[in-house]
Amino acid sequence: GAGVSQSPSNKVTEKGKDVELRCDPISGHTALYWYRQSLGQGLEFLIYFQGNSAPDKSGLPSDRFSAERTGGSVSTLTIQRTQQEDSAVYLCASSLGTGATDTQYFGPGTRLTVL
Amino acid sequence: AQSVAQPEDQVNVAEGNPLTVKCTYSVSGNPYLFWYVQYPNRGLQFLLKYITGDNLVKGSYGFEAEFNKSQTSFHLKKPSALVSDSALYFCAVRDMIPDSWGKFQFGAGTQVVVTP
Repeated sequence: GAGVSQSPSNKVTEKGKDVELRCDPISGHTALYWYRQSLGQGLEFLIYFQGNSAPDKSGLPSDRFSAERTGGSVSTLTIQRTQQEDSAVYLCASSLGTGATDTQYFGPGTRLTVL
Repeated sequence: AQSVAQPEDQVNVAEGNPLTVKCTYSVSGNPYLFWYVQYPNRGLQFLLKYITGDNLVKGSYGFEAEFNKSQTSFHLKKPSALVSDSALYFCAVRDMIPDSWGKFQFGAGTQVVVTP
């Protein structure tokens, strides 16, 4: 079946502009996660959604970052007034739930470059 | 709070030799441990996981990992490395404390380079 998809694959923007990154999770997966991976670094947790529960936003680095998940499926990560330090690969993952055995499956990522 | 450490930034191994990528963890409750691999310009691919049961877990592409509770380790191994195994490997832990449910803590990653 189809995996997690993300769009766009690459995004180049100018400092100060807003950007939207999209994630389509695997069908039937109730949990959705966003991570950020800076060059040569590990994964930094940003936010996750589980079903209809309030999202866990504890990893968002500033109030310029927000995310929503419509209809329990597609998610959009929005970065307002982008800064050069926002340049990174943004990875989305989904899992069946958040049980102990639930594996996260990752999309290919969106590479964001802020000039 | 949970944490995971990958002490080696890079591991170099000749093709055909055994490959080991190290991971140690710290959790409050029972650990649930995962390994992922990332090829260049790709997302992370799931390799294997330890939830409970046998300490030796077998996964994709001939990889296996050994859970060692006393040493709080979960090292990834492959008996005979291939050039195509060259990639970035991430260890992750999920701590089953209620306020941590859903969150993975990832290690910094270990770059594996397999030379012909």
